[in-house]
Amino acid sequence: EAGVVQSPRYKIIEKKQPVAFWCNPISGHNTLYWYRQNLGQGPELLIRYENEEAVDDSQLPKDRFSAERLKGVDSTLKIQPAELGDSAVYLCASSFSDTYQETQYFGPGTRLLVL
Amino acid sequence: RKEVEQDPGPFNVPEGATVAFNCTYSNSASQSFFWYRQDCRKEPKLLMSVYSSGNEDGRFTAQLNRASQYISLLIRDSKLSDSATYLCVVHHQGGKLIFGQGTELSVKP
Repeated sequence: EAGVVQSPRYKIIEKKQPVAFWCNPISGHNTLYWYRQNLGQGPELLIRYENEEAVDDSQLPKDRFSAERLKGVDSTLKIQPAELGDSAVYLCASSFSDTYQETQYFGPGTRLLVL
Repeated sequence: RKEVEQDPGPFNVPEGATVAFNCTYSNSASQSFFWYRQDCRKEPKLLMSVYSSGNEDGRFTAQLNRASQYISLLIRDSKLSDSATYLCVVHHQGGKLIFGQGTELSVKP
């Protein structure tokens, strides 16, 4: 069975440019998460979707970040404009549901470098 | 204070050593607990869940003390392949995972 797929794997952009990341969760997983992981830190949740509804976006910097999950499957995360501090690994994860028993499976991440 | 705090690393140990990682969490309403493993430049992967009664998976033993809000992971007979960063993870109601900063383990021959 295919795991969580993310693209691109690497992205280098100049500050103030826009950037977008794409995620395809494991088939049948209703819950999708976007995390950001800074160097030497654990991942931090940005947004969580239940099907197509964003149920927790409290940590998403809404002035420059946006996300969508049309049709409740694939998701995109966008940054516009990017800042130097946005350099990080952006991880997508999915689970069957959001209950505490469910394991979250992570994709390989998109490594973003903002110059 | 961070919600989940781990021992600062890195831990450098010889093959065959026993190593223990400690973790504390601040939210007493946390519902479930995990250890994830993250290899260099890879994604985190679930190593094991942590149950109140303690649980073991081969060379790995996890313990939870809810009263002290403390979680531990013990690795016996360390292998070179155990070298990775170990993330303590706490699950809040509604699906939110809170990660510790991770403790890096390096097992040397």
